[in-house]
Amino acid sequence: NAGVTQTPKFQVLKTGQSMTLQCAQDMNHNSMYWYRQDPGMGLRLIYYSASEGTTDKGEVPNGYNVSRLNKREFSLRLESAAPSQTSVYFCASKWATGTALATNEKLFFGSGTQLSVL
Amino acid sequence: ILNVEQSPQSLHVQEGDSTNFTCSFPSSNFYALHWYRWETAKSPEALFVMTLNGDEKKKGRISATLNTKEGYSYLYIKGSQPEDSATYLCAHTTGNQFYFGTGTSLTVIP
Repeated sequence: NAGVTQTPKFQVLKTGQSMTLQCAQDMNHNSMYWYRQDPGMGLRLIYYSASEGTTDKGEVPNGYNVSRLNKREFSLRLESAAPSQTSVYFCASKWATGTALATNEKLFFGSGTQLSVL
Repeated sequence: ILNVEQSPQSLHVQEGDSTNFTCSFPSSNFYALHWYRWETAKSPEALFVMTLNGDEKKKGRISATLNTKEGYSYLYIKGSQPEDSATYLCAHTTGNQFYFGTGTSLTVIP
């Protein structure tokens, strides 16, 4: 009963270093998301993937890249980390069903990655 | 980017009190409105999704209403308990993208 699994849970980087945040879901969901959480800002969408093989920018994509490796996995890469990218990152996948008139959907979130860039 | 606003930012209530929060969102191009509950050190968990004007959803002591014409939703908690302490997030969705508010932090004092 894993749901959405994110790794690592914590990471400290120096400015300019690169890293990849991993996310995997075992619920066969089509859509996956990366959010960042900053104090007073709410959850802000970085990138999303509506289906395997597609990715789209969200509200705050600058400085990030993503890969939808397969239906299960959606990774987020910081090519050259900056202190402004210090944040808590959440991956999510979307369950959805229903007709166009009465869609039922919800997001399942991972446990988050706390990233500090020094 | 859709502007979703929640009020109040934080709330302290006594155990047994009833309370409510507000989520406001753009009323044009409405698709769905979500409420999530986010406990400290955990991940957000879905409470409700509402799609139609006038929708009301209920789960135990928690209920929510939706007005898509004027662009707001209310979340109500009846007889608050300490375990209700959490941040309550609302999110407006256009289908693929979810736009979250900054949340209302509720503390229930025993």
